Amino acid sequence: DAGVIQSPRHEVTEMGQEVTLRCKPISGHNSLFWYRQTMMRGLELLIYFNNNVPIDDSGMPEDRFSAKMPNASFSTLKIQPSEPRDSAVYFCASSLGQGLYNEQFFGPGTRLTVL
Amino acid sequence: AQKITQTQPGMFVQEKEAVTLDCTYDTSDPSYGLFWYKQPSSGEMIFLIYQGSYDQQNATEGRYSLNFQKARKSANLVISASQLGDSAMYFCAMRERSGNTPLVFGKGTRLSVIA
Repeated sequence: DAGVIQSPRHEVTEMGQEVTLRCKPISGHNSLFWYRQTMMRGLELLIYFNNNVPIDDSGMPEDRFSAKMPNASFSTLKIQPSEPRDSAVYFCASSLGQGLYNEQFFGPGTRLTVL
Repeated sequence: AQKITQTQPGMFVQEKEAVTLDCTYDTSDPSYGLFWYKQPSSGEMIFLIYQGSYDQQNATEGRYSLNFQKARKSANLVISASQLGDSAMYFCAMRERSGNTPLVFGKGTRLSVIA
């Protein structure tokens, strides 16, 4: 069984460049979550989707961040323009079901470094 | 206000000893779920154990058990017979109410197991 797939695993870019992070959730899962992890702030929820519809994007830092989920098997998180403070590990997670016990399955993360 | 508080930034334990990682939570919702995840140095997030607010018994999964004290709003993780491979970051998380809502994470505790 393939888990959550994220690409790229590592991204190094220069300030001002556009960055696109990609996520493929587990097949059949109907919720997708984007988190950002930094030493200072820990794991922060950026945005989540239910059935491909964005439900809560209040965690998105600013207009430079955008996320899409065009279909049930693909999501992107875009940063344009990128800044050094965006350097972090970005996790995508997916889950299935309506109960409280919905384990969120995490992808391996994308380590982003903005120079 | 923080939903999940982990007061121990770092812990040390001797191999084969038991260790308790603290977690307190804040919610007014009577229905919630509590999760623990492990993040080894390789970076992936690994689900360990789950406790529902209505569960009568403390959850157990192998060497992991959850000391759930509802009145105190605490959900401490107990790892018995620590192994060197248990060295990692441990995150407590909570989901309030049913549905595909996201987990809210604490800041984590770094556990180091000493031989």
